[in-house]
Amino acid sequence: GAGVSQSPRYKVAKRGQDVALRCDPISGHVSLFWYQQALGQGPEFLTYFQNEAQLDKSGLPSDRFFAERPEGSVSTLKIQRTQQEDSAVYLCASRPRELTAASSYNEQFFGPGTRLTVL
Amino acid sequence: GENVGLHLPTLSVQEGDNSIINCAYSNSASDYFIWYKQESGKGPQFIIDIRSNMDKRQGQRVTVLLNKTVKHLSLQIAATQPGDSAVYFCADPDGQNFVFGPGTRLSVLP
Repeated sequence: GAGVSQSPRYKVAKRGQDVALRCDPISGHVSLFWYQQALGQGPEFLTYFQNEAQLDKSGLPSDRFFAERPEGSVSTLKIQRTQQEDSAVYLCASRPRELTAASSYNEQFFGPGTRLTVL
Repeated sequence: GENVGLHLPTLSVQEGDNSIINCAYSNSASDYFIWYKQESGKGPQFIIDIRSNMDKRQGQRVTVLLNKTVKHLSLQIAATQPGDSAVYFCADPDGQNFVFGPGTRLSVLP
């Protein structure tokens, strides 16, 4: 497939459990983003990678959230000790190149998301 | 950060009619906007974009209008079809990422 894929598509966790959400970006895409989308809201930025470097993690809501992209391709978003307020859809997006004056924002492609429900 | 907000949370239109979805923004320095469509269970999908040096851009059945004076943009969908039912977001790049509005749900009535 040519698109961004995410797994699992649905995850139910008991409060306090750790979860790991996976994103497979489009092959060769340099930039990777994670967003959190609460029910009835627009996506909110969590973190950004350029290759394996995490250049911006200002949107991560707490130190329970951790993201990595060790080889510059697949990324994992980990949430430790999940809380009910973590329930949301977690979206991954990738872009072919880093942001420059010549880059096009319209080249950002989103995956289908992982719906996390914390009971 | 700056707000990108929508006037109406829901919009219902008859199939075949035109739809207009509005969006207000507050960052007068914004120079680029994107409209996304998000169907149930899917990620946002790019529809059309517009730069601040334009006031109108047309795509296939869609037109985006930008009024920089009042910091407002709209998405017009011509001859709305059942497949247009979705949530529509306007987004404003903020550095590396996007700031999304809360979205408008478009429902197409038969």
